[in-house]
Amino acid sequence: DTAVSQTPKYLVTQMGNDKSIKCEQNLGHDTMYWYKQDSKKFLKIMFSYNNKELIINETVPNRFSPKSPDKAHLNLHINSLELGDSAVYFCASSQPNSVNTEAFFGQGTRLTVV
Amino acid sequence: AQSVSQHNHHVILSEAASLELGCNYSYGGTVNLFWYVQYPGQHLQLLLKYFSGDPLVKGIKGFEAEFIKSKFSFNLRKPSVQWSDTAEYFCAAARPGYSSASKIIFGSGTRLSIRP
Repeated sequence: DTAVSQTPKYLVTQMGNDKSIKCEQNLGHDTMYWYKQDSKKFLKIMFSYNNKELIINETVPNRFSPKSPDKAHLNLHINSLELGDSAVYFCASSQPNSVNTEAFFGQGTRLTVV
Repeated sequence: AQSVSQHNHHVILSEAASLELGCNYSYGGTVNLFWYVQYPGQHLQLLLKYFSGDPLVKGIKGFEAEFIKSKFSFNLRKPSVQWSDTAEYFCAAARPGYSSASKIIFGSGTRLSIRP
């Protein structure tokens, strides 16, 4: 039973296209995240949603638009894709409380823009 | 600003050697600390975590880490590495509670290569 699942796992597309990545978690967590991992393996947070509300937006181009239809889903839509968007995108979820902030990660989506 | 630093970018060891990967964090107040591992082509998996209590934390696969508050460090150790430990290791930190500060911030990662 996959806790955090992302689709697709691989995505190859041309510059200028619009694409979406979907994420779902079955852990009952209130908070979901998108992270970008570049070619040097550096992981950077992009967005965080808590119960469908945006709480973190880390200087991400507005071509990237997250959407959370409910607290179990956080999708990422990217407009006008650029070569520099090529990366692995990880979805994660957590249930932060006064003690615990552990996050669970999806398998990642490897996006290649050509 | 909150940050996590990993100073070893690439570590190469022989099998059975001992491992220590450095991690320093810059956070005020209470902090949760994590080590995640990413095997080639795979997603991040939690190795171990520190929330409170005993500063020596034991994780999966024989890994352990020690939280030293005075040094703002959370170094990862393993007494004897195996070839299967070849992976990227990420130290991470987050502030507990519901807020934008509870985002997990990752270090830049350390690539561990084990020679058979």
